[in-house]
Amino acid sequence: QVQLVQSGAEVKRPGASVKVSCRAAGYTFTDHFIYWVRQAPGQGLEWMGWIDPRSGGASYAPPFQGRVTMTRDTSISTAYLEVGRLRSDDTAFYFCARALPQAAAGSDSWGQGTLVSVSS
Amino acid sequence: QSALTQPASVSGSPGQSISISCTGSSSDVGSYDLVSWYQQHPGKVPKLLIFEVTKRPSGVSNRFSASKSGNTASLTISGLQAEDEADYYCCSYAGSSTLVFGGGTKLTVL
Repeated sequence: QVQLVQSGAEVKRPGASVKVSCRAAGYTFTDHFIYWVRQAPGQGLEWMGWIDPRSGGASYAPPFQGRVTMTRDTSISTAYLEVGRLRSDDTAFYFCARALPQAAAGSDSWGQGTLVSVSS
Repeated sequence: QSALTQPASVSGSPGQSISISCTGSSSDVGSYDLVSWYQQHPGKVPKLLIFEVTKRPSGVSNRFSASKSGNTASLTISGLQAEDEADYYCCSYAGSSTLVFGGGTKLTVL
């Protein structure tokens, strides 16, 4: 079955960077885009961007452009999200999710989430 | 690119039907048939309920249905059950390879 397994929780200082991984299993990694979505505690979902694992091309939501980088390693079916210049309001759960074959149609499988806490 | 607008909360009694609206603009909901809906129970990951405005993934109950008119999409839950109590989010393609979520709606089953 499809599985997305994310890396563990992180605690970072303001101004630092964090890199979260998302390992895919149970399907052909390059056949589906990967979304990254975050959710601050008690808040709603926020789409950060997506990456096409086949080409490596990524698209970012405007609030994150310039501060977020999405990459992938096809040899280990893993996608990565790096967020730089962390602020306290970046404290959130970060989810990866597998897109449907039509990439913009939605996501049918989600990782368990990675809590990133930013505090001085 | 602004978040789609959803009511903060809705409620209904078991067996009733409720609808949740999702209002965007001509730049997102109004221009593309790429609206999806998610259900999220507390402490759980989101679950896809609807994609491409009206389509249900296999395994999703037919009590969930959805539609779109102009810049507003709607999710309807019929035969409300206690297990439907959760947060619901809409999401739309917004052009330029970007998506945008709604602010979320908390459904309370009375």
